[in-house]
Amino acid sequence: QKEVEQDPGPLSVPEGAIVSLNCTYSNSAFQYFMWYRQYSRKGPELLMYTYSSGNKEDGRFTAQVDKSSKYISLFIRDSQPSDSATYLCAMSDAGTYKYIFGTGTRLKVLA
Amino acid sequence: NAGVTQTPKFQVLKTGQSMTLQCAQDMNHNSMYWYRQDPGMGLRLIYYSASEGTTDKGEVPNGYNVSRLNKREFSLRLESAAPSQTSVYFCASRRREKLFFGSGTQLSVL
Repeated sequence: QKEVEQDPGPLSVPEGAIVSLNCTYSNSAFQYFMWYRQYSRKGPELLMYTYSSGNKEDGRFTAQVDKSSKYISLFIRDSQPSDSATYLCAMSDAGTYKYIFGTGTRLKVLA
Repeated sequence: NAGVTQTPKFQVLKTGQSMTLQCAQDMNHNSMYWYRQDPGMGLRLIYYSASEGTTDKGEVPNGYNVSRLNKREFSLRLESAAPSQTSVYFCASRRREKLFFGSGTQLSVL
């Protein structure tokens, strides 16, 4: 079993839809949870960062962490064609700074 | 506002050839990373450097060597390239818990 599991998609949604992206993990020591967005032929860029459990909102994006279920989510409201990209979850425990990435979910938002 | 710069962007090698991938960051970060990205495998850590002069193996270090000669630069060397090393390579630097990535090197080994 991989330490971090992420559905690879692809996920196609119409413009304006609410998108839900998810990852599960097995290591209960993970404390830092991140979502990266990666456009085709580009490097990943940090989208959202959360420490421990709870929610964090930034514009149209909301990150949720449920440590009891070892489950994290990224919600995108009012999705736009420019949101079409691969979304990678990442996590690490305190102190090691060795980040474990999910395989990424490809999202396509149709105009 | 360069951030993390990687060179070259593309490279084709023959089996057995050697090459060095270069990475430089201008954000004064201590920690730097090398990842490879393969379809269905996600990003996997090759090597990590916590500070100038220190390096640590990641998940997939075999066939690679690294050098952190100064704070800005972290290079990745393939001594004898193999087809299994065909991949996209990303360098990153870290500030607190946030990674900043370069634009990648697409490497093909024939």
